[in-house]
Amino acid sequence: GIQVEQSPPDLILQEGANSTLRCNFSDSVNNLQWFHQNPWGQLINLFYIPSGTKQNGRLSATTVATERYSLLYISSSQTTDSGVYFCAVEGAGGFKTIFGAGTRLFVKA
Amino acid sequence: KAGVTQTPRYLIKTRGQQVTLSCSPISGHRSVSWYQQTPGQGLQFLFEYFSETQRNKGNFPGRFSGRQFSNSRSEMNVSTLELGDSALYLCASSFGTVSFGGDTQYFGPGTRLTVL
Repeated sequence: GIQVEQSPPDLILQEGANSTLRCNFSDSVNNLQWFHQNPWGQLINLFYIPSGTKQNGRLSATTVATERYSLLYISSSQTTDSGVYFCAVEGAGGFKTIFGAGTRLFVKA
Repeated sequence: KAGVTQTPRYLIKTRGQQVTLSCSPISGHRSVSWYQQTPGQGLQFLFEYFSETQRNKGNFPGRFSGRQFSNSRSEMNVSTLELGDSALYLCASSFGTVSFGGDTQYFGPGTRLTVL
């Protein structure tokens, strides 16, 4: 099945810093989503982005489907950005969503 | 619009028992997917229901089952509980089916199951 790898696994930032999270996938995908899981366990959808670039405030994402990767950019990070960021894909064959292992982000005040 | 709701939020069971978890999707959403999250295995897909039909199933034993009702609410059942079933069970809803390039998923707060 499709493999999803996220990097880095852990990231510590000073408030105000920028960061880039990466998601590599091993096969063609029908869709790709980025989620943020807050410290209470709630998963929040950030982007539905099977290809192209999207922006939402301080966050933006780019997926280059032909090269099988997606990037999540966080600018001017805030302590509330702390948590785990997951990339999830559905392979071109369909059938189920596969999550990466996540990037754990901690933003220091 | 109200978000995805899951009940109960916390549950403690003993080995061998069975458990039923409930998920109410966002109004108008027809697809409900279930996921298991554990520290060791991460987030794993359990199954997806769309219009009362199971569309897809992950690699879990037959002890894990589910169903969807005509109002799109979904339940999942785990029989003969094992210690390894302790996990956060998350439900997600979307308007269309997730399969074949579907839709944005919205997650509920989860049910934390502890098996003793």
